[in-house]
Amino acid sequence: GESVGLHLPTLSVQEGDNSIINCAYSNSASDYFIWYKQESGKGPQFIIDIRSNMDKRQGQRVTVLLNKTVKHLSLQIAATQPGDSAVYFCAELYYNQGGKLIFGQGTELSVKP
Amino acid sequence: DSGVTQTPKHLITATGQRVTLRCSPRSGDLSVYWYQQSLDQGLQFLIQYYNGEERAKGNILERFSAQQFPDLHSELNLSSLELGDSALYFCASSDPDRSSYGYTFGSGTRLTVV
Repeated sequence: GESVGLHLPTLSVQEGDNSIINCAYSNSASDYFIWYKQESGKGPQFIIDIRSNMDKRQGQRVTVLLNKTVKHLSLQIAATQPGDSAVYFCAELYYNQGGKLIFGQGTELSVKP
Repeated sequence: DSGVTQTPKHLITATGQRVTLRCSPRSGDLSVYWYQQSLDQGLQFLIQYYNGEERAKGNILERFSAQQFPDLHSELNLSSLELGDSALYFCASSDPDRSSYGYTFGSGTRLTVV
């Protein structure tokens, strides 16, 4: 069935270090993969997406890597800041199913000052 | 402010009752999606509407229903509520014509069933 899962439920890093959040997915019939950030009491916020025919995309301080061979997605955050503390979700978009988005379980990132 | 408005922010009700959650999508977005977020289930897709028509269904219970109105706002109706229905309910909107397919989420309605 459709499932997108995360390897680690929690990640603690020191301020200024780089963070890597991993995600495994099982269904290869998606069009996009998307990372969301959810802060306490708020809805998920779009961070970055990557089309399924790409293997890397960079944004501001964030990089997403896609390895379709092993069905693995990662989010790298450079120079992690306290404001990056949140739960991060990977999600798989099925464009031919009306844009349905299936979310992974989430990883909580804690940044220590 | 994401542009997606959900009301109410908090709702406390008793088992067996019925509630209606409301969502106004971001201006120009035709698609509305409903998600349920509970501690042990993460974000679960419930249902999607596009320009008033149901487009996709996820793990939505028969006790739950939704609709999208001509002005594009959407309502999620939850009936015969059970304790296990306590969760955060998020609405998101999107426009497939945008260059990015990321949804825009509202801040959610926290439903507590007692």
